Parts: sequence; C-alpha cells; structure tokens
Amino acid sequence: DVKVTQSSRYLVKRTGEKVFLECVQDMDHENMFWYRQDPGLGLRLIYFSYDVKMKEKGDIPEGYSVSREKKERFSLILESASTNQTSMYLCASGGQGTFAYGYTFGSGTRLTVV
Amino acid sequence: ELKVEQNPLFLSMQEGKNYTIYCNYSTTSDRLYWYRQDPGKSLESLFVLLSNGAVKQEGRLMASLDTKARLSTLHITAAVHDLSATYFCAVDYGGSQGNLIFGKGTKLSVKP
Repeated sequence: DVKVTQSSRYLVKRTGEKVFLECVQDMDHENMFWYRQDPGLGLRLIYFSYDVKMKEKGDIPEGYSVSREKKERFSLILESASTNQTSMYLCASGGQGTFAYGYTFGSGTRLTVV
Repeated sequence: ELKVEQNPLFLSMQEGKNYTIYCNYSTTSDRLYWYRQDPGKSLESLFVLLSNGAVKQEGRLMASLDTKARLSTLHITAAVHDLSATYFCAVDYGGSQGNLIFGKGTKLSVKP
C-alpha cells in the first residue's frame, strides 16, 4: 500500500513564526499535493508538484510556499504564520496513471496559530 | 468555472434505511472519485469511476457515474452506524498532472 506520511498530527505555532509541514511518500509518485480543509469550505488546493523542483500554484497559494528537493518529499512552508492559517492540512500523492487510482492522502496535520 | 456540488451536505438517517448522495459537476469529465473521511482522520479512497455508466459496489455502498448528465450518485443500502462519516466526491478535469476538484462533502450520521 502507498504510504503518505505527514510529520506532525498536531502543531501549535505563534503568529509570525515560519512553519514547515513535511510530507513523505514511499511509492515513487511523481505528483504531490497540499490541501487545506476548513468546515464548510471543503478541500482547497494550495500547491502541487509534478516533479522534483517543479511547483504549481493551486487555488489559494497566498501566504504559502513549497519545496520539492527530492521526489519523495514535499514541504509546505508558511513564511509568517497568521491566525487565518489555522486549519487542517492534508498532503496527497499520485503516480503516473493517477487517474486509475486517485490520490492517496496522508493523515493530516491540524495546525493552530495563536 | 469548475464546480463540484454535492447534496445534501448533511444527512441524518436511521439504521436500515436507504438513501442517495448526489454529486454534480460543471464540465465534462469521465473520472470521478469517492472518498470517506472519519472525524479527525484523513481521506480514504472508496470508489474510482472512470467511464460513463461505471458502477462500483462495496458492501452497503454503491457508486455510479453518468458522464452525460455530469452526475455521480453514492447509494446507501440498509444503513448501519459504521457508515457515519463525511463522504467527498472529486472530479478529475484532466491535464497531465490530474488535478482533482472536490465537493464540499456530505456529513452522514446514521442513528439507531
């Protein structure tokens, strides 16, 4: 089974801090995604990457950046955390032929910015 | 604008009853996915529907896809408490990277 691992289940950070959310997948997938999930808003795509060092903006990239230095790892960076970034963050991955299987999601990181 | 709309958004059912969740989408696609999410947990893949008329069944859940109507349904038969969760549909609008657009989810509560 594909495993997508997010480094933290719960995080509490202060306003203005730089925050790193890490995601690692073990199936050599090309595509990786970061979503945030908020009540009533569903899942919204922040950034995605289809190759090492490649990144594309999703629907809500403002206030975020990403890094993909290795194929298995996709990091989401909050340059200066704000309270409106309190949310559940979900990482997902998919390989060539993703359409046949859909994405595999990590367990999520619930971030609280105080 | 690409839209995926689910209804209902909230569903309270009694055990043993049947019900259907609907997923409408705005632009042509023949790839649709259903996910389940338990409270505080991540999303788990339920069904992958890849062609018009596709039907998949797992236990008390059955999903179907009508690409001409741009509609997928998730039918629940004889609901049990263990099915209580939030169900998401997601549509693949293509592109080389396969970008999924998610509905807002249907929160299902099955009561004794």
